[in-house]
Amino acid sequence: DTGVSQNPRHKITKRGQNVTFRCDPISEHNRLYWYRQTLGQGPEFLTYFQNEAQLEKSRLLSDRFSAERPKGSFSTLEIQRTEQGDSAMYLCASSLGLAIYEQYFGPGTRLTVT
Amino acid sequence: AQSVTQLDSQVPVFEEAPVELRCNYSSSVSVYLFWYVQYPNQGLQLLLKYLSGSTLVKGINGFEAEFNKSQTSFHLRKPSVHISDTAEYFCAVSDRSGSSNTGKLIFGQGTTLQVKP
Repeated sequence: DTGVSQNPRHKITKRGQNVTFRCDPISEHNRLYWYRQTLGQGPEFLTYFQNEAQLEKSRLLSDRFSAERPKGSFSTLEIQRTEQGDSAMYLCASSLGLAIYEQYFGPGTRLTVT
Repeated sequence: AQSVTQLDSQVPVFEEAPVELRCNYSSSVSVYLFWYVQYPNQGLQLLLKYLSGSTLVKGINGFEAEFNKSQTSFHLRKPSVHISDTAEYFCAVSDRSGSSNTGKLIFGQGTTLQVKP
């Protein structure tokens, strides 16, 4: 068990560019969550997958954001036409079935939009 | 909808002193309650959780928390802190009703615990 991993750890991009982040959950964890954390704030829920199905999306997830989890394993979060307001830490967490309240978090991807 | 308020943004304390980090929540439905810790440049780690049963829950690293339903609070305590406890602490809730039981967490703004030697 190597824990939840996220890549890249840091991403600097220019406004208007597209970026994609990857999250590898703990193997066999069927639930995967994305959160966004801005400076001085707690994480905010973005979206949730159970296996490959995306079951809930927050209003924070504008149409510039898209997330996928093909084959129910790793997940990607893409932001198109980035804006400065997208600068934040993007956190991924996973959990297993009945123990859904035990979420394990990755180290996060810090996005800076210049 | 749920919301979480952490009443102190920063809590400075001397090493070996006791500490309490305060958390209040608002919800129209029953919730589960959590405390997470975030060390610099790391992800969040679960300290403890309240799902049911005894209102006093014990977690890792000597932390404990007490659920008070009438006051809608879930304060975190430690009788004697160490320098290594310096970190950001987050209180969170999750809806326990069956129909919308996604497990998503609603977090407070965080409390920075600064342990001084």
